[in-house]
Amino acid sequence: RKEVEQDPGPFNVPEGATVAFNCTYSNSASQSFFWYRQDCRKEPKLLMSVYSSGNEDGRFTAQLNRASQYISLLIRDSKLSDSATYLCVVEFGNEKLTFGTGTRLTIIP
Amino acid sequence: EAQVTQNPRYLITVTGKKLTVTCSQNMNHEYMSWYRQDPGLGLRQIYYSMNVEVTDKGDVPEGYKVSRKEKRNFPLILESPSPNQTSLYFCASRRYRGETQYFGPGTRLLVL
Repeated sequence: RKEVEQDPGPFNVPEGATVAFNCTYSNSASQSFFWYRQDCRKEPKLLMSVYSSGNEDGRFTAQLNRASQYISLLIRDSKLSDSATYLCVVEFGNEKLTFGTGTRLTIIP
Repeated sequence: EAQVTQNPRYLITVTGKKLTVTCSQNMNHEYMSWYRQDPGLGLRQIYYSMNVEVTDKGDVPEGYKVSRKEKRNFPLILESPSPNQTSLYFCASRRYRGETQYFGPGTRLLVL
């Protein structure tokens, strides 16, 4: 089983729709969680950290479920500019950050 | 401007010819890492460094070397590149464990 697993997609979603991604992780001792966004082979950039209580940043909401070992990302009112690959990242307590393979999202006009 | 820089951005080389990819950050970060990204495999950590003169292997260290003689620089060395090291390489840094990483713009390497 992979340490961090994501549905690779692609997700093709009409503009204005709500879309949700999940990411599962295998190590229950994982300590930190992040969602990154990567555009077309450019460098990944932090979208948001994920906190135990859940957190929201504008149209984006991240949730953590430690019992079931998954994190989620919800995008509301999707925009064309949201088209990208979304990477789930889990830190296992040392400097080791493990990346999921990414979920590709395309917003359709 | 806070940033991570990498050079070169693009490199075509031949098997066995030693090369170095430089990485520098101006944020005084403790932690630095090197990753490679390949289709279907995602980002995989090659090496990381927690401070000057402190480095450790990541998931795919074979065929690579690193050094951390200064806090701001973390070069990646391929002593004898092979075609299976053709990839997109990213350097990253962060201040503390648990904080976000900042990535360099990437280096596209083709080994013939």
